[in-house]
Amino acid sequence: IVMTQSPATLSVSPGERATVSCRASQSISSNVAWHQQKPGQAPRLLIYGASTRATGIPARFSGSGSGTEFTLTITSLQSEDFAVYFCQQYDQWPTFGGGTKVDI
Amino acid sequence: EVQLVESGGGLVQPGGSLRLSCAASGFTFSNYEMYWVRQAPGKGLEWISYISRGSSTIYYADFARARFTTSRDDAKNSLFLQMSRLRAEDTAVYYCAREQEASDAFDLWGHGTMVTVSS
Repeated sequence: IVMTQSPATLSVSPGERATVSCRASQSISSNVAWHQQKPGQAPRLLIYGASTRATGIPARFSGSGSGTEFTLTITSLQSEDFAVYFCQQYDQWPTFGGGTKVDI
Repeated sequence: EVQLVESGGGLVQPGGSLRLSCAASGFTFSNYEMYWVRQAPGKGLEWISYISRGSSTIYYADFARARFTTSRDDAKNSLFLQMSRLRAEDTAVYYCAREQEASDAFDLWGHGTMVTVSS
């Protein structure tokens, strides 16, 4: 299953909203996760089941979608949110989106 | 602290071998299914292998099946990836990852270890 993520780069200002999309090459129900990765750090799980926030993830992170279209939304971006975000499908053997760099 | 820490990466010549380790701490390692994933420079993440609890089931991506071997030692809270006949295209950051109990999403990743295959 190919996960096509867009955009590759997203330039936003602190306090603004960021929206990242992933499209699956076939229906994957809600078997999508979103991860955040900062330079030199391990990736961190944000969202699983397309819309369920992982433990400790702030409410400004939300996920939506099902089937083939999925969205990660970050409302009111904080300075610590500037990072790379990528989707993961786990309906079959895992595959990943190409990543979105959210920067200022 | 709940964490995964990879080690064993480095520079290896084409055709050589390397053994990566992933040390788990802060949780009951034996309760979790584990993966190896890699990311080549400028490329996306790519699944390598899966190992079930108790090592009863191990699966590999097609590119890894003939050259890579995944194992675990629950007594030592460790996951391993033995790589042989390495090629330039195996150059990548290698991550271990834990599969979440509630779903099959990855809920814990290591920082990764860099493997460079070059003469």
